[in-house]
Amino acid sequence: DIQMTQSPSPLSASVGDRVTITCQASQGVRRYLNWYQQKPGKAPKLLIYDASNLETGVPSRFSGSGYGTDFTLTISSLQPEDFATYYCQQYDNVPYTFGQGTRLDFK
Amino acid sequence: EERLVESGGGLVNPGRSLRLSCATSGFTFGDYSVNWFRQAPGKGLEWVGFIRSKTHGATTEYAASVKGRFSISRDDFKSVSYLQMTSLKTDDTGIYYCTRGGVTIFGVAWVWGPGTTVSVSS
Repeated sequence: DIQMTQSPSPLSASVGDRVTITCQASQGVRRYLNWYQQKPGKAPKLLIYDASNLETGVPSRFSGSGYGTDFTLTISSLQPEDFATYYCQQYDNVPYTFGQGTRLDFK
Repeated sequence: EERLVESGGGLVNPGRSLRLSCATSGFTFGDYSVNWFRQAPGKGLEWVGFIRSKTHGATTEYAASVKGRFSISRDDFKSVSYLQMTSLKTDDTGIYYCTRGGVTIFGVAWVWGPGTTVSVSS
């Protein structure tokens, strides 16, 4: 199975900050990497698919990059509604696997 | 609006069975794959399995932790997917989510249901 490792976890930041979350795969997953956001008590929501494609309706302050084993999710200017847990997920190989999650909270 | 709603969760003893349903609306269900995920209390997300559309044989894939015990099916006439769970273990406790996948891209969870809670305990 492909192991996905996210860092940092947790991450403390303030409104207006630029934050970056990294995700590393134990073997190459090409561009088949998604990012999800989950708020407490809610289902996850797709933010980014195929490493860098912004899902429809997701604010442009979110962006993703990477290929192979190293990926990043960047929020350019943190908004109050962005405090949540973020997960990366690879789908290059079955079983699909997630990172452990990065909880983003107020500094 | 695309919508998925899971049902069928509850409290069940270890070793017993449970069937979850995922009712969908707002899209042509038969064209798409369906993934199931779960989340143990206070833990991260885990992929359970998926079913392809009938165009792709309605074939399935499963995580090793559930293979042989869980089975995913679909009823395109009713626009519903099912997750049949047998020989349940306490480790199967959690929130179960169904999601709409793509037509040919199976591993992206485009739309999520709110989830249904399964508790396995004696």
